[in-house]
Amino acid sequence: EVQLVESGGGLVQPGGSLRLSCAASAFTFSNYEMNWVRQAPGKGLEWVSYISGSGSTTYYADSVKGRFTISRDNSKNSLYLQMNSLRAEDTGVYYCARDTAMAYFDCWGQGTLVTVSS
Amino acid sequence: QTVVTQEPSFSVSPGGTVTLTCGLSSGSVSTSYYPSWYQQTPGQAPRTLIYSTSARSSGVPDRFSGSILGNKAALTITGAQAHDESDYYCVLYMGSGIYVFGTGTKVTVL
Repeated sequence: EVQLVESGGGLVQPGGSLRLSCAASAFTFSNYEMNWVRQAPGKGLEWVSYISGSGSTTYYADSVKGRFTISRDNSKNSLYLQMNSLRAEDTGVYYCARDTAMAYFDCWGQGTLVTVSS
Repeated sequence: QTVVTQEPSFSVSPGGTVTLTCGLSSGSVSTSYYPSWYQQTPGQAPRTLIYSTSARSSGVPDRFSGSILGNKAALTITGAQAHDESDYYCVLYMGSGIYVFGTGTKVTVL
């Protein structure tokens, strides 16, 4: 069964850093583009970042550009999100989501909670 | 800044039909945006319902259907059931790996 498991969330002070991980299993990870999607408490879903299968191409939402870095290690079947200069508005559940050639998310992790607060 | 708009809420009777829409702040939604739809219940990860405008994801009942209605993407739930009560989000693909989520619609079945 295809599975995505996020980890690395937690409480961090404003201005701090955090690194999220997403472990993939039961599919050929390198063949798929991947994304991070987040959801602030009581709010809607927001696309955060995209990475190609090789890792050579990345895109970011304007709200995180210059502060967040998406990366992947295909040898470890893992996706990452390095989050720097964190703000209170970055608080929320972060999901990793598998992308498809048909431009949609076909598989989601269960999410990891990031709280930015002093 | 691209804004994808959805109705904030809808109420439907059990067994009834409801159509949710997904529009662009400027311009029309077409199949070129590969509209997709996701269902989310509180505390859970999203579930994929529809992709490429009208294709149903694996395991999704045919009560859920997608289309283009006028200048918007649409999700129709036919024969609504109590467990369809959820938040529904559309997503538009803007090209170059960039996606925009809609504002979401809360559907109540009562």
